[in-house]
Amino acid sequence: KQEVTQIPAALSVPEGENLVLNCSFTDSAIYNLQWFRQDPGKGLTSLLLIQSSQREQTSGRLNASLDKSSGRSTLYIAASQPGDSATYLCAVVSGTYKYIFGTGTRLKVLA
Amino acid sequence: DGGITQSPKYLFRKEGQNVTLSCEQNLNHDAMYWYRQDPGQGLRLIYYSQIVNDFQKGDIAEGYSVSREKKESFPLTVTSAQKNPTAFYLCASSVPGGFYGYTFGSGTRLTVV
Repeated sequence: KQEVTQIPAALSVPEGENLVLNCSFTDSAIYNLQWFRQDPGKGLTSLLLIQSSQREQTSGRLNASLDKSSGRSTLYIAASQPGDSATYLCAVVSGTYKYIFGTGTRLKVLA
Repeated sequence: DGGITQSPKYLFRKEGQNVTLSCEQNLNHDAMYWYRQDPGQGLRLIYYSQIVNDFQKGDIAEGYSVSREKKESFPLTVTSAQKNPTAFYLCASSVPGGFYGYTFGSGTRLTVV
């Protein structure tokens, strides 16, 4: 059974710092991995989608990498800003064709 | 613009009452999903549908029911059998299998009063 873990559960950093959020999964046979952002009381906003054949995706200050063999993905945020404060969720699709979500990392960027 | 619309944004349910949450998409996606989110927990799958007139139970389907009569719509009914319905409910859609990612709605917060 696929399990997705995100560490740390919460993170607080000063503005301008580069940071890395981690996502690990137990079954390496995934079809894709998606990173989302969730603001309090809001829905999920897609940040980056990495297909199983890809190693990384980039969008602006965000870069997500995927290492299927080790069951890991990282989301790199460059030059963090207070507006980046949110909960970040990763999710994977594997043999069941349904997304399995991690419990998220709650990020706070201090001005 | 294409997207998913969930309504209402806030919903209050009395004890013993059934309530229905609406989810409509204009993305031409075949697959639709309902998730429940509780504080400190990940998203848990309630029901999903890969095609019109077909749906399957997720991990926590007890106390919930759905229908999929139209491609665009996937309403979720929270029945009186759901003993702890207070939560944030999220609807999503995708192409079958989710290979190009999920798109989510803005959510409905349900509170029992």
